[in-house]
Amino acid sequence: GQQVMQIPQYQHVQEGEDFTTYCNSSTTLSNIQWYKQRPGGHPVFLIQLVKSGEVKKQKRLTFQFGEAKKNSSLHITATQTTDVGTYFCADSMEYGNKLVFGAGTILRVKS
Amino acid sequence: GAGVSQSPRYKVAKRGQDVALRCDPISGHVSLFWYQQALGQGPEFLTYFQNEAQLDKSGLPSDRFFAERPEGSVSTLKIQRTQQEDSAVYLCASSLRQGLFNYGYTFGSGTRLTVV
Repeated sequence: GQQVMQIPQYQHVQEGEDFTTYCNSSTTLSNIQWYKQRPGGHPVFLIQLVKSGEVKKQKRLTFQFGEAKKNSSLHITATQTTDVGTYFCADSMEYGNKLVFGAGTILRVKS
Repeated sequence: GAGVSQSPRYKVAKRGQDVALRCDPISGHVSLFWYQQALGQGPEFLTYFQNEAQLDKSGLPSDRFFAERPEGSVSTLKIQRTQQEDSAVYLCASSLRQGLFNYGYTFGSGTRLTVV
């Protein structure tokens, strides 16, 4: 079935450094949703990307959808300790009736 | 309500015991989803409701798992004869729906099930 791969699995950065997580699929993605899950918490919706080549920004976060709709990325500029958590991408299959999640990228930030 | 509410927050069950997990979605959200999240993994789809209709239950791992949403609001996920491999966090989510398009999910805090 549909699989969504995320890399890296884990990243530890110094506060102020940038961070990027990548989401890839061997098949065309429908729509991509990104979620953040704090340690001990639940996934919180960040954004949805729908169009090929789409780029969206939320303050220090930049989300990108590949031209071929087979990959997506989340980039955080100048990380802060509040950015700590696991970032998941998810393919919104069948118009969002089912999300297929990647395994997530764990971000740790050293202050 | 303001968010998706799940209860209980934690549940310890003896192997073989039946459990029932409750989800109260955001008022007006047509779509309701159940996901299972094992430690260190991403959530995995279990089942989907649109109002009271269960439109997809392809992710339910066995016939011991059963979900219902009889009045199109509160939903219950029931697990019969629990096994150790059922230990996980069970997440409920709801979403607005416009036509065929679902918006971002709002997840509840989850129920952490431990089977001993």
